[in-house]
Amino acid sequence: AAGVIQSPRHLIKEKRETATLKCYPIPRHDTVYWYQQGPGQDPQFLISFYEKMQSDKGSIPDRFSAQQFSDYHSELNMSSLELGDSALYFCASSWEYNEQFFGPGTRLTVL
Amino acid sequence: GEDVEQSLFLSVREGDSSVINCTYTDSSSTYLYWYKQEPGAGLQLLTYIFSNMDMKQDQRLTVLLNKKDKHLSLRIADTQTGDSAIYFCAERRGGSARQLTFGSGTQLTVLP
Repeated sequence: AAGVIQSPRHLIKEKRETATLKCYPIPRHDTVYWYQQGPGQDPQFLISFYEKMQSDKGSIPDRFSAQQFSDYHSELNMSSLELGDSALYFCASSWEYNEQFFGPGTRLTVL
Repeated sequence: GEDVEQSLFLSVREGDSSVINCTYTDSSSTYLYWYKQEPGAGLQLLTYIFSNMDMKQDQRLTVLLNKKDKHLSLRIADTQTGDSAIYFCAERRGGSARQLTFGSGTQLTVLP
């Protein structure tokens, strides 16, 4: 069965640079979620989109923005990167209020 | 997550049962989930339970929900070394919000 696809899987950036993470949800899923997992921590919700509209917002810094496109893929844009942004970034998708399936994550390292 | 609590570590012998516990605070939570995370990997959905259920069984996995005490547990029967991982419970709260709030995760170590 098709799963959530994230790219890139690994990303290394310098401080103050920008990064773009991409997420391709499971076909026919209408909701995309972004989570951030710091080292040794639990995933923290950042933002979600339902039918291409922002639906909920969590602890997402103002330096980050996201959108969902007409083909339902989503991108998380991160600017002015800080050392503390180093983390695993997960995308998940669901069909309406049903269970969320997570992608393999993008490991971002900020040097 | 600060509102969902789990014990950090659990060690069991191969073949024994494992019980991972979780407490949550939001009584309006509608769905409660268990995810498994192996080192460097993503989150794998194991099972979930709707808040109007007390128990759900899925092969080696049994989920028990005590809504009065806001307590959730995951029992893994016949635990194998391949079950070694971090297990997260997560709640989806009531209302229109769909995001999950995760517990801190329980590191399960299965000893041979």
